[in-house]
Amino acid sequence: QKEVEQDPGPLSVPEGAIVSLNCTYSNSAFQYFMWYRQYSRKGPELLMYTYSSGNKEDGRFTAQVDKSSKYISLFIRDSQPSDSATYLCAMSEGSYSGAGSYQLTFGKGTKLSVIP
Amino acid sequence: GAVVSQHPSWVICKSGTSVKIECRSLDFQATTMFWYRQFPKQSLMLMATSNEGSKATYEQGVEKDKFLINHASLTLSTLTVTSAHPEDSSFYICSARVRAGGYDQPQHFGDGTRLSIL
Repeated sequence: QKEVEQDPGPLSVPEGAIVSLNCTYSNSAFQYFMWYRQYSRKGPELLMYTYSSGNKEDGRFTAQVDKSSKYISLFIRDSQPSDSATYLCAMSEGSYSGAGSYQLTFGKGTKLSVIP
Repeated sequence: GAVVSQHPSWVICKSGTSVKIECRSLDFQATTMFWYRQFPKQSLMLMATSNEGSKATYEQGVEKDKFLINHASLTLSTLTVTSAHPEDSSFYICSARVRAGGYDQPQHFGDGTRLSIL
């Protein structure tokens, strides 16, 4: 079983739809959870960064973390064609010390297309 | 804030050439920088972690003599692909992370370098 599972899609939705993306993981030591957006031939862009369980909202984006279920989600409201990209979840154990604990483990990414 | 600049964005060169890629943190000091490799339709694969002023830590299977990493300052890390061959063609991405106030900070990525070896 891979450490982080993410449905690669592709996922195609009409403009204005609510998009739900998710990842599951197996390492209970993960504490920091991130969502990155990657456009074709570009580097990943940080969208959301959360610590431990709970919800975080930023504009049209909401990130949810359920550590008890080892499940994280990203919701995009009022999706736009400009949201078309690959969305990568990433997580790390993180700590205030230690050389390797903040290495990221990525999902494979979900390719999203928002159709006008 | 947290802008990471990577240069060049695309390079094509002949087999046997050495290629240097630069990664700069523009508005923050990066105590740690990371180098990744990404194949088409695949996720990022960590190659090495570098801390300013010390030797890089390479992931298993990554040849340190092939991929030379230098992190000479808090804002600059370089990756040199030595004697590059066609199998080294890939998308290389750096990221940088600052540790501030005792709290972990997320990694911020550059825009990547597309390397094509003929």
